[in-house]
Amino acid sequence: EAGVAQSPRYKIIEKRQSVAFWCNPISGHATLYWYQQILGQGPKLLIQFQNNGVVDDSQLPKDRFSAERLKGVDSTLKIQPAKLEDSAVYLCASSSFTGELFFGEGSRLTVL
Amino acid sequence: AQSVTQPDIHITVSEGASLELRCNYSYGATPYLFWYVQSPGQGLQLLLKYFSGDTLVQGIKGFEAEFKRSQSSFNLRKPSVHWSDAAEYFCAVGFNTDKLIFGTGTRLQVFP
Repeated sequence: EAGVAQSPRYKIIEKRQSVAFWCNPISGHATLYWYQQILGQGPKLLIQFQNNGVVDDSQLPKDRFSAERLKGVDSTLKIQPAKLEDSAVYLCASSSFTGELFFGEGSRLTVL
Repeated sequence: AQSVTQPDIHITVSEGASLELRCNYSYGATPYLFWYVQSPGQGLQLLLKYFSGDTLVQGIKGFEAEFKRSQSSFNLRKPSVHWSDAAEYFCAVGFNTDKLIFGTGTRLQVFP
């Protein structure tokens, strides 16, 4: 069974530029999550989708971050404009009815 | 406020020695409890979880954890550490299996 796919694995941009990350969850998983993991910290939930609807985006900085999950499958997380403090690993995870989260390898963002 | 504390940022053990990683939580009720492991450049992998019932839970890779309600703790243990166990370990809590709150992690280093 294929795992959660994320791309790109690494991205370096300058502040005020934009960036987008893509995630393809495990086939059949209805729930998809984006987490932000800053160096030295644990992952923090940014947004949770159930199929193509948003369940929780209370910790998403909506002035600069946006996410969508068209057709209830893959998802895109966008940051525009990026700030230095957005440097982090962005983890995508998915889960089925069992609730167990399966994580992708992450996309590491460096903002200069 | 809900929180998870992992008091040890970095632990070093010799291969074959026993291991205990500490986790304390603050939550309104008995939460769902998890331990995840993250190898360098990888996503998080679930080691074990506790929902209810027997307070000693067994996980993958020879790990176990014990839920102690009186101490609000969920410590991870392994009787004999292998060099491949070197990684970062995260404790997490949640009201359900999703919307997890992660600790800041404990980095385990294993010496031969």
